[in-house]
Amino acid sequence: KAGVTQTPRYLIKTRGQQVTLSCSPISGHRSVSWYQQTPGQGLQFLFEYFSETQRNKGNFPGRFSGRQFSNSRSEMNVSTLELGDSALYLCASSGGGSSTEAFFGQGTRLTVV
Amino acid sequence: AQSVTQLGSHVSVSEGALVLLRCNYSSSVPPYLFWYVQYPNQGLQLLLKYTSAATLVKGINGFEAEFKKSETSFHLTKPSAHMSDAAEYFCAVRRNTGFQKLVFGTGTRLLVSP
Repeated sequence: KAGVTQTPRYLIKTRGQQVTLSCSPISGHRSVSWYQQTPGQGLQFLFEYFSETQRNKGNFPGRFSGRQFSNSRSEMNVSTLELGDSALYLCASSGGGSSTEAFFGQGTRLTVV
Repeated sequence: AQSVTQLGSHVSVSEGALVLLRCNYSSSVPPYLFWYVQYPNQGLQLLLKYTSAATLVKGINGFEAEFKKSETSFHLTKPSAHMSDAAEYFCAVRRNTGFQKLVFGTGTRLLVSP
């Protein structure tokens, strides 16, 4: 069974631009969560999608948004990039419902210059 | 609200020595608890989980953890460290409901010397 796939692995953007990151969950999983990892703030929850609906959101500005498609693939978008958005963005896949564990992708390393 | 405290940002052990990484949690509802490991430039790999069944949980690579409700702890141990165990370890908590939001500790970097 293929794992969680995140694309691209690395990305360099300029301040003010926007970026879209993609996540393909494990086949059959309906829940996708996104996390931001930085040296200063650690791992922080961005949002969770389940069956195309956002059902939980972390404490991030509205520049951070996401969506989930009918095949459970998810994208997250960051608009008007700031230097502080440089981070490793991790996607986690779970069966949802009574499923207990989340499986993570390799992450997308975003650098904002 | 839920939170996790990991004591010690760095832990150093010799190869073959006992590994003990500490995690204390706070949760207003019965929690699910997890340990993840992260190698450089990689995602998180699940080591083990506690989901209210057995309090002593065995995971991959010889790691285990014991859930102690009275101490609100979920410490990770391994009897004998291997060089390949050098990595960063994260303890995480979430509600025992369908929502998948994980709250992570700040991580402990394990250094293993020959």
